[in-house]
Amino acid sequence: QQQVKQSPQSLIVQKGGISIINCAYENTAFDYFPWYQQFPGKGPALLIAIRPDVSEKKEGRFTISFNKSAKQFSLHIMDSQPGDSATYFCAASYNNNDMRFGAGTRLTVKP
Amino acid sequence: DTGVSQDPRHKITKRGQNVTFRCDPISEHNRLYWYRQTLGQGPEFLTYFQNEAQLEKSRLLSDRFSAERPKGSFSTLEIQRTEQGDSAMYLCASSLGGGGNQPQHFGDGTRLSIL
Repeated sequence: QQQVKQSPQSLIVQKGGISIINCAYENTAFDYFPWYQQFPGKGPALLIAIRPDVSEKKEGRFTISFNKSAKQFSLHIMDSQPGDSATYFCAASYNNNDMRFGAGTRLTVKP
Repeated sequence: DTGVSQDPRHKITKRGQNVTFRCDPISEHNRLYWYRQTLGQGPEFLTYFQNEAQLEKSRLLSDRFSAERPKGSFSTLEIQRTEQGDSAMYLCASSLGGGGNQPQHFGDGTRLSIL
């Protein structure tokens, strides 16, 4: 069912550094690309999302970069903080029907 | 906005038993989704409702699984004759409708453990 490939599987970043997580998708019909943050024992929480007619979207320290021709998108977390340590999932959907998730990236931000 | 609520949070049962989970979506959200998440993986889509109509079902939703949303508000997911492989976190999400820019908001899930 996975149509979204996410990398890396895990990432360790120093406090204040930039965390970068990448995703690639296959289905060109996808029209909505969100990123979710998940803490242990909790459900995924929407972080930021982008539509394919936009190449970049920034909200605070979080930025999505979108490359439609390459069918790739990435999440950049600027000034990473220990509180950002969590698992991050990229996802994609068409018309907000079934959402396809990547396998997740476990981010650890070291103080 | 009280968020998506799921009950119970944890369920432990013996293999072969039936279990039922409940999801209360954000009020006024007409779409409701069920996902399953196993350890170390992303959520996998099971099914979704638009109001009371079940519009799509994944191949993951075997005959032992059934979901309902009788009045277009809360939903239940039932698993009959549970198997070891059913052990997972069952997540519910809701959204204001179809189309892009309508984010899916997730509850904290029901963790099912099959003994």
